[in-house]
Amino acid sequence: DQQVKQNSPSLSVQEGRISILNCDYTNSMFDYFLWYKKYPAEGPTFLISISSIKDKNEDGRFTVFLNKSAKHLSLHIVPSQPGDSAVYFCAASGRRGADGLTFGKGTHLIIQP
Amino acid sequence: EAEVAQSPRYKITEKSQAVAFWCDPISGHATLYWYRQILGQGPELLVQFQDESVVDDSQLPKDRFSAERLKGVDSTLKIQPAELGDSAMYLCASSLVAGGKLFFGSGTQLSVL
Repeated sequence: DQQVKQNSPSLSVQEGRISILNCDYTNSMFDYFLWYKKYPAEGPTFLISISSIKDKNEDGRFTVFLNKSAKHLSLHIVPSQPGDSAVYFCAASGRRGADGLTFGKGTHLIIQP
Repeated sequence: EAEVAQSPRYKITEKSQAVAFWCDPISGHATLYWYRQILGQGPELLVQFQDESVVDDSQLPKDRFSAERLKGVDSTLKIQPAELGDSAMYLCASSLVAGGKLFFGSGTQLSVL
């Protein structure tokens, strides 16, 4: 039973436009959510996080939105740049992050020139 | 910038052989995690340490996998005997405290023939 779902295996976006990556979760005990970015042959790198007490967190070009009632979060990247091409993982944790992270399967974002 | 060190980067072994992976977390990070990532999937938590103690190993296949962090610093993950289905990327991560941001190493890519 997958507790964190990323239903789009891949997404293609034109450079300069907005990229929107989506994530759904089923475990109502999750209270801390993160996005990681991964290049081939490298480990994931932290991008941005959000606590369940917030509905939005912004860091430069990256914004994460959380809709707790829908158990849905999204990552917005504006504007999209070629270096953003990577696999993006949504992750969630309970007990304010003290539990290990549960990851989704990832979305491969391709930024086209 | 401090990094999580992992070795080896690549390991090829035959089934029924023993393999071991090593991880050195960022200095001062009390929490250490081992994740396994199968191609096309998200990372899956195998074991979580707080200092030298195991906090969560519920997903670790204990008949063949073992993990230790004897002095609460570096850690070793062992598989004995390896099976074909163990082929995956093994990722180590650390955080300053449980619930903090996770920093990942570059991983060990294991191929079992």
